[in-house]
Amino acid sequence: NAGVMQNPRHLVRRRGQEARLRCSPMKGHSHVYWYRQLPEEGLKFMVYLQKENIIDESGMPKERFSAEFPKEGPSILRIQQVVRGDSAAYFCASSPRDIYGYTFGSGTRLTVV
Amino acid sequence: SQQGEEDPQALSIQEGENATMNCSYKTSINNLQWYRQNSGRGLVHLILIRSNEREKHSGRLRVTLDTSKKSSSLLITASRAADTASYFCATDVGNTPLVFGKGTRLSVIA
Repeated sequence: NAGVMQNPRHLVRRRGQEARLRCSPMKGHSHVYWYRQLPEEGLKFMVYLQKENIIDESGMPKERFSAEFPKEGPSILRIQQVVRGDSAAYFCASSPRDIYGYTFGSGTRLTVV
Repeated sequence: SQQGEEDPQALSIQEGENATMNCSYKTSINNLQWYRQNSGRGLVHLILIRSNEREKHSGRLRVTLDTSKKSSSLLITASRAADTASYFCATDVGNTPLVFGKGTRLSVIA
């Protein structure tokens, strides 16, 4: 079992470009969570998805950010028109149910230049 | 919103010593979890303690939970240089994603 796979590991975007972050959950896990982490900070919840459904997006900015978890394929976190403040590490986690510990991916480090 | 707060923010100890980190939270929980993060990596789940449990062990880790004080502690015994990492507590209040604290940065000096 390969665990939670995130790609790319590092992503550099110019201001105004789009960033697409991918997350493949562990096999058998139907719950996916995206978190953002700034240097020396904890993780801030962004969005919680199950297959084809957004369950909770209360931590995700209303503009420029979107997420999906299609029936087939990985979960995608999309950031449009990136700004310098979007630079952070973005972590995806999955769980088989919402009462178990999460398995995290290694993250995508987004740098906006 | 529900949040765990770790204390201390940073801890430096000698190899072989015990390390104790604390976590306080605000409202009732279903369970509390501890995670570890090595620099530049994702979080690794260490241990989960349910609200009806008071203590749990896993190898060199011991976790306690005091629901009356809304606090938990993580003890790492006989620490090693490889234990150097950030440690986070996360609270599960049910039907919502885990909320993480800002973590304790542990440095174990050989």
